[in-house]
Amino acid sequence: AQSVSQHNHHVILSEAASLELGCNYSYGGTVNLFWYVQYPGQHLQLLLKYFSGDPLVKGIKGFEAEFIKSKFSFNLRKPSVQWSDTAEYFCAVKTAGSQGNLIFGKGTKLSVKP
Amino acid sequence: DGGITQSPKYLFRKEGQNVTLSCEQNLNHDAMYWYRQDPGQGLRLIYYSQIVNDFQKGDIAEGYSVSREKKESFPLTVTSAQKNPTAFYLCASSRWQGPTETQYFGPGTRLLVL
Repeated sequence: AQSVSQHNHHVILSEAASLELGCNYSYGGTVNLFWYVQYPGQHLQLLLKYFSGDPLVKGIKGFEAEFIKSKFSFNLRKPSVQWSDTAEYFCAVKTAGSQGNLIFGKGTKLSVKP
Repeated sequence: DGGITQSPKYLFRKEGQNVTLSCEQNLNHDAMYWYRQDPGQGLRLIYYSQIVNDFQKGDIAEGYSVSREKKESFPLTVTSAQKNPTAFYLCASSRWQGPTETQYFGPGTRLLVL
């Protein structure tokens, strides 16, 4: 069965530190990839997405992600985090085999210390 | 103001009771989805609907039922057969289930069992 793995359950950083959250998926065919963010008390929001083309995609609030097909990865990065980035981050994959539906990772909680 | 609304924000269920969660969208989206979010588990798909009067089971449909009588509405009923209903329920919608489909989420309903 297709699955999405997010390696870190909880990441704690100080402000201005660099961030990289890992995401790996298990599917050998064409994929569409997403990162969603859930700020405390708010609904799930789309951060960025990859469908095709340039494997380095830029999203909102200075986030970016790189699709590396050979590694089945779509890691999320931000050069300098802020306290307001404290949230839970979810990686999601859409494949031809998932009937068009999203398969989510278990999420990574990011806590940024001021 | 366009978007996805879910009501109520909090819902309490007694043992043996059926409860219905509302999801409405005014985005003219074709597809609608229900997910369940548990701490540390990510999001899991309950049901989805691509068009009016049609819906499909997701990964964890047991104990739940849905209807899609109108394009803008996709209510979810949590039946008494669902033995562990306490969770955060998220509704999502998208314009179509094609290669570039993107799902957008509502604010969620938190269901608690008394």
